[in-house]
Amino acid sequence: GQSLEQPSEVTAVEGAIVQINCTYQTSGFYGLSWYQQHDGGAPTFLSYNALDGLEETGRFSSFLSRSDSYGYLLLQELQMKDSASYFCAVRDRSSGNTPLVFGKGTRLSVIA
Amino acid sequence: ETGVTQTPRHLVMGMTNKKSLKCEQHLGHNAMYWYKQSAKKPLELMFVYSLEERVENNSVPSRFSPECPNSSHLFLHLHTLQPEDSALYLCASSPTGTLNTEAFFGQGTRLTVV
Repeated sequence: GQSLEQPSEVTAVEGAIVQINCTYQTSGFYGLSWYQQHDGGAPTFLSYNALDGLEETGRFSSFLSRSDSYGYLLLQELQMKDSASYFCAVRDRSSGNTPLVFGKGTRLSVIA
Repeated sequence: ETGVTQTPRHLVMGMTNKKSLKCEQHLGHNAMYWYKQSAKKPLELMFVYSLEERVENNSVPSRFSPECPNSSHLFLHLHTLQPEDSALYLCASSPTGTLNTEAFFGQGTRLTVV
């Protein structure tokens, strides 16, 4: 099966940098994804890492270390609108259709 | 707007009622999913449909019954629910056959069982 661990809450100051960590256990690894969900909204895709290293997309970057079963999401130049829940996810290899399995989510609060 | 539409957005039902949740996507995706999101818990996968065929049922109680009449529509039929079934029910879709594609989620149906 799959399990993912991430912190439940993080608070950071506007303009700062914050890192949200995720460790995973999976029987077959196809890559680590990150999703953002604002209160009352749908989860939306942020990034995907299949190989080790850092992927950068604007203010957001995502890192993966397959040997450590670890990844993180890095948010730079934080803005108030970044306050949301962030989920890491892996594909469930036990199913032929490999649906996404999610962590519990990290609630990020950006303060002035 | 993600291209995945769920109705209704909010639903209150009694434990003896029967209701249905609807999900619709016109993204050309062949896989559709139902997830349950409760407070303090991860998004829980309930059902997976691929090419209109159910390929996974994650030990979901029989009081939840999915239906996928075509690749664009997905339903979740509810009957004799319990108060602990109150949650946000999210529908998602994705293309099949590739692993690095994102899933597109609907806004969810906030279900309250009284």
